[in-house]
Amino acid sequence: GESVGLHLPTLSVQEGDNSIINCAYSNSASDYFIWYKQESGKGPQFIIDIRSNMDKRQGQRVTVLLNKTVKHLSLQIAATQPGDSAVYFCAENNAGNMLTFGGGTRLMVKP
Amino acid sequence: DTAVSQTPKYLVTQMGNDKSIKCEQNLGHDTMYWYKQDSKKFLKIMFSYNNKELIINETVPNRFSPKSPDKAHLNLHINSLELGDSAVYFCASSQGGGFNSPLHFGNGTRLTVT
Repeated sequence: GESVGLHLPTLSVQEGDNSIINCAYSNSASDYFIWYKQESGKGPQFIIDIRSNMDKRQGQRVTVLLNKTVKHLSLQIAATQPGDSAVYFCAENNAGNMLTFGGGTRLMVKP
Repeated sequence: DTAVSQTPKYLVTQMGNDKSIKCEQNLGHDTMYWYKQDSKKFLKIMFSYNNKELIINETVPNRFSPKSPDKAHLNLHINSLELGDSAVYFCASSQGGGFNSPLHFGNGTRLTVT
């Protein structure tokens, strides 16, 4: 099937700046979306999720925005810290059939 | 107190061998998964088990056989290993099988086939 955000781009930000990681999803029937963070040598770690009946959800220093019209998801990280350096994945639930992951974005935080 | 634990963390073996990876979760979840992550970091689901029953088997060669002795365990056995099997394998669990709740992942098993 189609994939979410197939490539692994890199986003480089200065410590203290805000980061925005974008993701395009494929299935308009998907109703649940998750952002994961993966550090080197570890498994993906849940950051925040959002259901399709919402367009914004906030956590601690993170905000997820969902635009169903253009099938776009973004993760905003406020005041980015060196510990935020990792690969970030978005995932969609493909109408409840399975959790499909995007290709990931590498975030590099410069001190 | 690790939520999802898998062993071994590293596995190096030769082509043609048979190997197993074990996974245990102590979260009380009823659904467990195996994902494969390739060298480009792409994560792809292999299997999903709900209450010890297979509910997803995504175009995986039948050399791969999952075994779930109980809800807390999902092991992965691989026969006749091939070079292309080299990857990181992640076990995960969630509450409910409808993919409407977060998956919790283990830290992976890096399999290298030589």
